[in-house]
Amino acid sequence: EAGVTQFPSHSVIEKGQTVTLRCDPISGHDNLYWYRRVMGKEIKFLLHFVKESKQDESGMPNNRFLAERTGGTYSTLKVQPAELEDSGVYFCASSRYTGVVNEKLFFGSGTQLSVL
Amino acid sequence: RKEVEQDPGPFNVPEGATVAFNCTYSNSASQSFFWYRQDCRKEPKLLMSVYSSGNEDGRFTAQLNRASQYISLLIRDSKLSDSATYLCVVNGAGGYNKLIFGAGTRLAVHP
Repeated sequence: EAGVTQFPSHSVIEKGQTVTLRCDPISGHDNLYWYRRVMGKEIKFLLHFVKESKQDESGMPNNRFLAERTGGTYSTLKVQPAELEDSGVYFCASSRYTGVVNEKLFFGSGTQLSVL
Repeated sequence: RKEVEQDPGPFNVPEGATVAFNCTYSNSASQSFFWYRQDCRKEPKLLMSVYSSGNEDGRFTAQLNRASQYISLLIRDSKLSDSATYLCVVNGAGGYNKLIFGAGTRLAVHP
């Protein structure tokens, strides 16, 4: 079974540019999450999709970030325009069930974003 | 105060040592508790869930004290391959699926 895949693995862009990250969850997983880790900080929740609907987007930093999951399959996270403080590792995760205690999340290998 | 607090380490131990990691969390309503392991420049991977009665998986033992809002992980007979960052994770106020991560404790096992 394929795991969670993310593309690209690395992205280097200049301040003010746009970047789009992609995540393909494990097949059959309704839940898809975005997390990120900025330098020196803990991994933080960004948002949670259940199928194509945003269940919780309380962690999105500001309106420069836009996440979509059209059709309830893969998801994209767009940053426009990118700022220096957006640099970090963006992880995607997926899980099968919603609202289950101790539900296991499977993480992708992340996208390392560097904004110069 | 952070929602999940861990000793940042690093813990430098010889092979064969027993290592204990501690973690406290602030949300008394949390229901899901985990230890994740993260290798350098890799994604976090679930090491084990933590249950109220305590649970063991080989050399790894996890304990949960809800009254004190405290979680622990014990690694016995540590191996070189145990070197990694250990992340304490609980679910947040938003629901079971929203995970709150501690900053992690780095472990370095040396020969």
